[in-house]
Amino acid sequence: GENVEQHPSTLSVQEGDSAVIKCTYSDSASNYFPWYKQELGKRPQLIIDIRSNVGEKKDQRIAVTLNKTAKHFSLHITETQPEDSAVYFCAATISGGYQKVTFGIGTKLQVIP
Amino acid sequence: DAGITQSPRHKVTETGTPVTLRCHQTENHRYMYWYRQDPGHGLRLIHYSYGVKDTDKGEVSDGYSVSRSKTEDFLLTLESATSSQTSVYFCAISEIQGDEKLFFGSGTQLSVL
Repeated sequence: GENVEQHPSTLSVQEGDSAVIKCTYSDSASNYFPWYKQELGKRPQLIIDIRSNVGEKKDQRIAVTLNKTAKHFSLHITETQPEDSAVYFCAATISGGYQKVTFGIGTKLQVIP
Repeated sequence: DAGITQSPRHKVTETGTPVTLRCHQTENHRYMYWYRQDPGHGLRLIHYSYGVKDTDKGEVSDGYSVSRSKTEDFLLTLESATSSQTSVYFCAISEIQGDEKLFFGSGTQLSVL
């Protein structure tokens, strides 16, 4: 089955700096890679996703990159703000398939004002 | 946000007692899931459903059973609760096969003493 590794497990950055979270996956058939953000005590929420036919996707201050050859993908947050503080989960699955999505263990991001 | 509610939000129970958690959706989505979230493990799939009376096991299904008699309701039952089942339980829904764009409920904090 799929195995998703995520690092770092914790990350502290100064407000205004950039943050990068990296994930690797094992199944070359995976083609859909979502990222979820979970604020303290709240539900995980989808913030951005990328498919394997795209190398990069941006949405305001967040961006995801995908390297299919190396089987890794990353979340980039620029100009971090205190409200970016949360746990971020990467995941991988096969779009439209019967494979279940596999999550990374999460990265706790702290943005220091 | 998708219309999805979980009940109860918090529950404390004793070892050996049965417990049922309820997930209710108003989105008419076909796919429903139960996850548990534990520190260091991220989100792990317990059971899922791809239609009324159609369910299957996830990666951590031992000790749990589910039922889906209506599109809108997905029940998770711990037949005889154990302390290892103390966790936060999230229900999720998706209208797309392959677990794309999961919408999560607010979670149930379960403590088994």
